[in-house]
Order: sequence, then C-alpha cells, then structure tokens
Amino acid sequence: ETGVTQTPRHLVMGMTNKKSLKCEQHLGHNAMYWYKQSAKKPLELMFVYNFKEQTENNSVPSRFSPECPNSSHLFLHLHTLQPEDSALYLCASSQDRLAEGEKLFFGSGTQLSVL
Amino acid sequence: QKEVEQDPGPLSVPEGAIVSLNCTYSNSAFQYFMWYRQYSRKGPELLMYTYSSGNKEDGRFTAQVDKSSKYISLFIRDSQPSDSATYLCAVAPGTYKYIFGTGTRLKVLA
Repeated sequence: ETGVTQTPRHLVMGMTNKKSLKCEQHLGHNAMYWYKQSAKKPLELMFVYNFKEQTENNSVPSRFSPECPNSSHLFLHLHTLQPEDSALYLCASSQDRLAEGEKLFFGSGTQLSVL
Repeated sequence: QKEVEQDPGPLSVPEGAIVSLNCTYSNSAFQYFMWYRQYSRKGPELLMYTYSSGNKEDGRFTAQVDKSSKYISLFIRDSQPSDSATYLCAVAPGTYKYIFGTGTRLKVLA
C-alpha cells in the first residue's frame, strides 16, 4: 500500500461520544499534519508533528487531541465535539517540516458528522 | 484582505475547452506555489508545483506565476470530463505553512 491512508472514511458521532481518527503514511516521511476542511473555507492547519514531536498547535480546542506514536502513524482523538466540528479531516505528510518548499501529500480524509 | 483569494465558481466549460483557473495573493514573500486537484469525497492531490516566477508545463496542464502581480494561474488544455473537480491553489513563504485558497469547482461537460 502506498501514500497516505486514513480511516474511517466516514464517521457519525454524538456530542458525548469519544472516537479516534487514524492516519498512516507509507512514504517514509518525517512530518505529519492534521487539517480541517469545511465547506467554502480554506484548509485550516490544526497540528504539526515532526519526527513524532508536536511542533505546532494552531489554537485548536482541547476536545481535539492528537497523538503521534511514530513517524508513520498519526491519530486524532475526539471527545465532546460540537456540531460545528462537522467537516472533512485531512491527514498529510511531507519529507521534512523544516525544509523549504516541502510538498504536502494528503490522505482521502475522514468525513465527520457531529449530531 | 485574505492572504489568498480564489473564485469559488462553479466554472462550467464544454469538453475540449481551455480552462483558466486563477488565484491572487497578498504577501510578496511567498516563494512556492502549488495547485491541488480534489475530487469529490477525496483528499487534495498535488498537481503542479512551482518555485518563484515563470511557467511550468506538465502534459495538458500549465502553471504560471506572476510575482509582480501576485497572480498565479493554472491552464488546462483539451479539458476532459475527468478534469471535473475542485482546484485548490496554495502558496508558501518557504516553510511548510501553506496557505490555501477556498478552491474553484470546475465542471467539464461532455
């Protein structure tokens, strides 16, 4: 399997549920990212990990909790979400966060609906 | 003023037409310019990648950057129904901090 794989593809959850999104990259990259894509809005960078260390949190609410056990895997743990959190959550990877002109490679995303 | 402006469309064209997609940006420090294609219910796929000014061609696709006008374009020649997707422009100052446009939805009619 190649590229960036995300599971599940679709997720419906209630506001009191706890769920996790999973991302795995098979590209040998060292940096991984979570983005949020809402309708008619630009992609929003949420978290950045480089060599499995979190290097950026763009003022994301604590109900979103990332985890990066190694450079190939990234999780996003969700709890007590709000309906406005419904969106497409995209995982991406790049060779190295710090290098100039890094190319981002995205997974297919998880379409999240919060009821 | 938004850092990157992109017309959301939709843009409908007949098959075989030349398509022009555009973005403007506000910060002259941006050095890297990218176009991503995103099919419905899929993640963005890197289509074109350009550093600084000039043109880059790949098959039916040409990316153009005019830094003096802060204007980037993507041209699609001989457009096909399979080109129907949302096209996202992205700019970066030289780090991973990409700034994305909202995307232009393109429909190529058979």
